Amino acid sequence: DTGVSQNPRHKITKRGQNVTFRCDPISEHNRLYWYRQTLGQGPEFLTYFQNEAQLEKSRLLSDRFSAERPKGSFSTLEIQRTEQGDSAMYLCASGQWGEETQYFGPGTRLLVL
Amino acid sequence: GQQLNQSPQSMFIQEGEDVSMNCTSSSIFNTWLWYKQDPGEGPVLLIALYKAGELTSNGRLTAQFGITRKDSFLNISASIPSDVGIYFCAGSYNFNKFYFGSGTKLNVKP
Repeated sequence: DTGVSQNPRHKITKRGQNVTFRCDPISEHNRLYWYRQTLGQGPEFLTYFQNEAQLEKSRLLSDRFSAERPKGSFSTLEIQRTEQGDSAMYLCASGQWGEETQYFGPGTRLLVL
Repeated sequence: GQQLNQSPQSMFIQEGEDVSMNCTSSSIFNTWLWYKQDPGEGPVLLIALYKAGELTSNGRLTAQFGITRKDSFLNISASIPSDVGIYFCAGSYNFNKFYFGSGTKLNVKP
């Protein structure tokens, strides 16, 4: 399978705990995006990387959120001190500069109790 | 942020019917993408559009990039039960990020 993969697929945590999600993009893609999707809504942009550089962050990405892509391949999204409002589907997408498309992974569904 | 208005919100149609949905933006976009999402899964790319006026097909799906660059349309011909799902439009000005509509939920009765 050469598509975008995300782990874990589901995460249940208690309020105040930290969680980390991983995204493995399509191997030749140099762009990687994180989105958040709540029930009944379309995905909302959080941040994106070109290779290892984080080039844009949404205002949705509060101080409790941090994303990394240390070697320009996989990426991690960490949420510290989770709140119930963080419950959502977190989606990762990858793309290749110049092709202007995005391919999504299956998402990580987070539930904060 | 940018607002994308997608309509209709939901549709109930009979198998074999054609479907039309559209998306409008408050700003100009250079790229429009259309996705389909099944419950619990990530969106799957259906069609990509890059030029104003462009009409692109993918099987029974046809999408158009509006002349004003502020809208896009998706048509599905001869719908079948596996077309059931939520369809999202997404637009981008510079490919740094995409803005998504809130989706059109399609139900197809066999």
